[in-house]
Amino acid sequence: SQQGEEDPQALSIQEGENATMNCSYKTSINNLQWYRQNSGRGLVHLILIRSNEREKHSGRLRVTLDTSKKSSSLLITASRAADTASYFCATDSGGSQGNLIFGKGTKLSVKP
Amino acid sequence: EPEVTQTPSHQVTQMGQEVILRCVPISNHLYFYWYRQILGQKVEFLVSFYNNEISEKSEIFDDQFSVERPDGSNFTLKIRSTKLEDSAMYFCASRADRRTRVFGPGTRLTVT
Repeated sequence: SQQGEEDPQALSIQEGENATMNCSYKTSINNLQWYRQNSGRGLVHLILIRSNEREKHSGRLRVTLDTSKKSSSLLITASRAADTASYFCATDSGGSQGNLIFGKGTKLSVKP
Repeated sequence: EPEVTQTPSHQVTQMGQEVILRCVPISNHLYFYWYRQILGQKVEFLVSFYNNEISEKSEIFDDQFSVERPDGSNFTLKIRSTKLEDSAMYFCASRADRRTRVFGPGTRLTVT
């Protein structure tokens, strides 16, 4: 079964630095999505990149997708303490229901 | 902005008891999902629901689980006889066609 796997598992940086998180998956996808989760809270959708896209931007977020390597990266520029959270990638294989398969997540800690 | 709501936020129950977790999806959404996240682990797909029937379910979603959309607004997940390993955060999500999922804040289920 397809599976998103993020690395690193944990990342600790200083405010103002950039944070890069990676995700790899195993099978073909329709799109890949990144979500954020604050401790003990719900999942917030950040950005979706389709399989025919290579790069997408949203504010301080930049996502890349390399379907030949079956990998994606999420870059958060000029990080803030409020960016502290867990970040998950989720792959969508498409189809009428579009089930999402989540990775284990990267726990990002941004120190002020 | 429309949001998915879930009740209760925290449910404590004894092993063997039945629990019903409730969700109110966004009103014009057509697809509904339940996911769970055991503490510290990845988010796992349980079931998707469309047109008043289950469209896809995972291996986790065994005979102890059932879903219902009893009226036009609620979407429920029932666990018939809870086990200790059912302790997790349960997330409901909904989406309109071709749109991203919107997740609820989750219900933390603790089975003692």
